[in-house]
Amino acid sequence: GAVVSQHPSRVICKSGTSVKIECRSLDFQATTMFWYRQFPKQSLMLMATSNEGSKATYEQGVEKDKFLINHASLTLSTLTVTSAHPEDSSFYICSAQARVDYGYTFGSGTRLTVV
Amino acid sequence: GENVEQHPSTLSVQEGDSAVIKCTYSDSASNYFPWYKQELGKGPQLIIDIRSNVGEKKDQRIAVTLNKTAKHFSLHITETQPEDSAVYFCAASGPGNFNKFYFGSGTKLNVKP
Repeated sequence: GAVVSQHPSRVICKSGTSVKIECRSLDFQATTMFWYRQFPKQSLMLMATSNEGSKATYEQGVEKDKFLINHASLTLSTLTVTSAHPEDSSFYICSAQARVDYGYTFGSGTRLTVV
Repeated sequence: GENVEQHPSTLSVQEGDSAVIKCTYSDSASNYFPWYKQELGKGPQLIIDIRSNVGEKKDQRIAVTLNKTAKHFSLHITETQPEDSAVYFCAASGPGNFNKFYFGSGTKLNVKP
């Protein structure tokens, strides 16, 4: 149980275009999901907290107009990287908590390359 | 906010040996400490966790110890196998952080056959 599915696993896009990444909780409902960014050989950096039915909460330094988060249902959160630039190239990972007393389950990640 | 430090950054052991990874945290209110294993190109997987009301937890070859007074916790892997090779992250979370996880910088474990 507690599976989080993330798509796509890899995406290449041109500068200036937008990319949408989906994060789904397959066997549980998640009122809260988290989006992380990870640079090569570095740790996970929390970008934002996605709340079902309300606005996402962004960490300091993360541009909310650039990284649009939508959490329209209890099983789906999306991250849209708008007007992507090469510096947005990174590994993006979502996570969700199946139970209050359980650790967070992570998706498999999305490798974004902006050319 | 919480600050989690993790050591060492890389660790190389011979198959069958033990591996120990250590983390310290700064916020005494943190009460949940998970460990994640991340293989190349994949998302992190929870391997073991411990809460602040417990000093030690074991699951087969993996154990975690917690010293609340010193604010440090450690991951112990015994009888290491090549498939244990991965990057390991510790994290800390607490009631004051609204379930946010603060991750350590990661340890790349290499188990040599």
